[in-house]
Amino acid sequence: GDSVTQMEGPVTLSEEAFLTINCTYTATGYPSLFWYVQYPGEGLQLLLKATKADDKGSNKGFEATYRKETTSFHLEKGSVQVSDSAVYFCALSDGTSGSRLTFGEGTQLTVNP
Amino acid sequence: NAGVMQNPRHLVRRRGQEARLRCSPMKGHSHVYWYRQLPEEGLKFMVYLQKENIIDESGMPKERFSAEFPKEGPSILRIQQVVRGDSAAYFCASSPDQGAQETQYFGPGTRLLVL
Repeated sequence: GDSVTQMEGPVTLSEEAFLTINCTYTATGYPSLFWYVQYPGEGLQLLLKATKADDKGSNKGFEATYRKETTSFHLEKGSVQVSDSAVYFCALSDGTSGSRLTFGEGTQLTVNP
Repeated sequence: NAGVMQNPRHLVRRRGQEARLRCSPMKGHSHVYWYRQLPEEGLKFMVYLQKENIIDESGMPKERFSAEFPKEGPSILRIQQVVRGDSAAYFCASSPDQGAQETQYFGPGTRLLVL
């Protein structure tokens, strides 16, 4: 079955540092890939997505490229802010059950001033 | 355009009681998904519904859990005879259509605590 593996957290960075959160996946067919962000006590918000190989999703300074050859979708940001502190989830949808999502375990990011 | 709404936001139940969680999808969305997030874990799919139909319930526990999405009104996730292990955050999401490319929009969640 489908699966998503994220780098283990927590990740702690200083403000303006470079961020990478690794995500790899296993899926049948050609899934779409997503990054969601969850702030404390809230639901998930879509951060970015990519629907086919070599697509780059980007939003709010974050970006991730859909790499079919390495089955990866790593999240990057060049300069993090304190307000980026949250839990980040990588997810995929293979379309076999509506738009059902398979999630990674999540990576807690803390950015210190 | 209001987002996905869930209520209650917090629910406390004693063992053996019933829990009813409600979800109103975004306007125009006819596809609803429920996910469960156990403490310190990611979200796990439970069930996928369209109006009046359960399409995929492969992630639902076989006993005590049920879901519906009636023609009128919100989707309901019902947990009978709750146990401590049911304590979790339950998230509802909706999408306007089906398919791998569709974005799901999440509600704020219901945090269930079973005493």
